[in-house]
Amino acid sequence: DTAVSQTPKYLVTQMGNDKSIKCEQNLGHDTMYWYKQDSKKFLKIMFSYNNKELIINETVPNRFSPKSPDKAHLNLHINSLELGDSAVYFCASSPVQGAIGEQYFGPGTRLTVT
Amino acid sequence: QQPVQSPQAVILREGEDAVINCSSSKALYSVHWYRQKHGEAPVFLMILLKGGEQKGHEKISASFNEKKQQSSLYLTASQLSYSGTYFCGTDGRADGLTFGKGTHLIIQP
Repeated sequence: DTAVSQTPKYLVTQMGNDKSIKCEQNLGHDTMYWYKQDSKKFLKIMFSYNNKELIINETVPNRFSPKSPDKAHLNLHINSLELGDSAVYFCASSPVQGAIGEQYFGPGTRLTVT
Repeated sequence: QQPVQSPQAVILREGEDAVINCSSSKALYSVHWYRQKHGEAPVFLMILLKGGEQKGHEKISASFNEKKQQSSLYLTASQLSYSGTYFCGTDGRADGLTFGKGTHLIIQP
């Protein structure tokens, strides 16, 4: 009965490769997010997605692109991976848009770029 | 801008109380509190909204001073399970949350 799930849990890849991380939520929420947590545990918002509206944190490189096939899924595609992309990526969902609703985080995907 | 949390770390004995502070340089509409244990995802604890509405945890309380742009999280009679890193989050970019750097809380028996 996992509320927010992500696959894979671990991802090891080489520089220059393209990879995807999948996220699914079964909470019926309208809003989903991607966050990046670096080695210093700093959590940073990357994207939010609500009812087909994508809001991008402009500091995120355009090598990162979210794709939502339906309301319950928000996948993250990363092109031309770089060493600095190594981090834990968390998907989250919320019942309301904006920062007024509690957010439920997935278990995270640890990405290691070599 | 990233909210500032204090202290960076605190070590307590079981049963003692703790206060974690979060302050921002900009006007806030909401403040969130999350706890993250090592190797796990952040877990929602509390949200405080401008105007006074509060939703959250039954054993942990928080305050939100809108004028001072500050929030404090209060953990009373701490339990071993309270150990972890506490993050405050404020409304930020991309309609998501901007988190502070976290406060590491260690509860010793």
